[in-house]
Amino acid sequence: GEDVEQSLFLSVREGDSSVINCTYTDSSSTYLYWYKQEPGAGLQLLTYIFSNMDMKQDQRLTVLLNKKDKHLSLRIADTQTGDSAIYFCAESIRSNTGKLIFGQGTTLQVKP
Amino acid sequence: GAVVSQHPSRVICKSGTSVKIECRSLDFQATTMFWYRQFPKQSLMLMATSNEGSKATYEQGVEKDKFLINHASLTLSTLTVTSAHPEDSSFYICSASASSPDTQYFGPGTRLTVL
Repeated sequence: GEDVEQSLFLSVREGDSSVINCTYTDSSSTYLYWYKQEPGAGLQLLTYIFSNMDMKQDQRLTVLLNKKDKHLSLRIADTQTGDSAIYFCAESIRSNTGKLIFGQGTTLQVKP
Repeated sequence: GAVVSQHPSRVICKSGTSVKIECRSLDFQATTMFWYRQFPKQSLMLMATSNEGSKATYEQGVEKDKFLINHASLTLSTLTVTSAHPEDSSFYICSASASSPDTQYFGPGTRLTVL
């Protein structure tokens, strides 16, 4: 079946890089996404990557995709206290249906 | 751009009453809207997908008679929780997509508490 797994917690110091990892099982994924959720709020789309790409960089964010291992990562450079939130990866399993499968979310704690 | 709002942001109701939650796309026309449910410290679970002008498609295990979804226009979808019970207490989040369902924009969520 479709499954997306993430580690639950990551703690880093301000200014360090954060790397949040995600694995998925469905090899037919078309898009893979990273969302950010702050306490009591909805989800903010951070970035996404098409399944035929290996890497995508957007300012402080770098997404790496290893399709062979079904592994996705999000690197946040120069992590700030405002980056503290829950980060969800999600895969779009069937193109043009919009159905997303979410991971459990990784809580990122940034210490000053 | 791509702003989605939800109303109300928080609602407390008595057991047995019905609650309506609105989801609006403010600056784009949403051909497809999605309703999710999120329990504390858990991930989002898709409840249903709705396309404007047609019946919603519910995920397995979601009672369509309990969670009524209406997508009457390209900017508005509503979720009505009928005869709510304490176990329906949750965070309900909607999302909307325009021409490509592969890109969804999420609302801020509605916290429902049923006493």
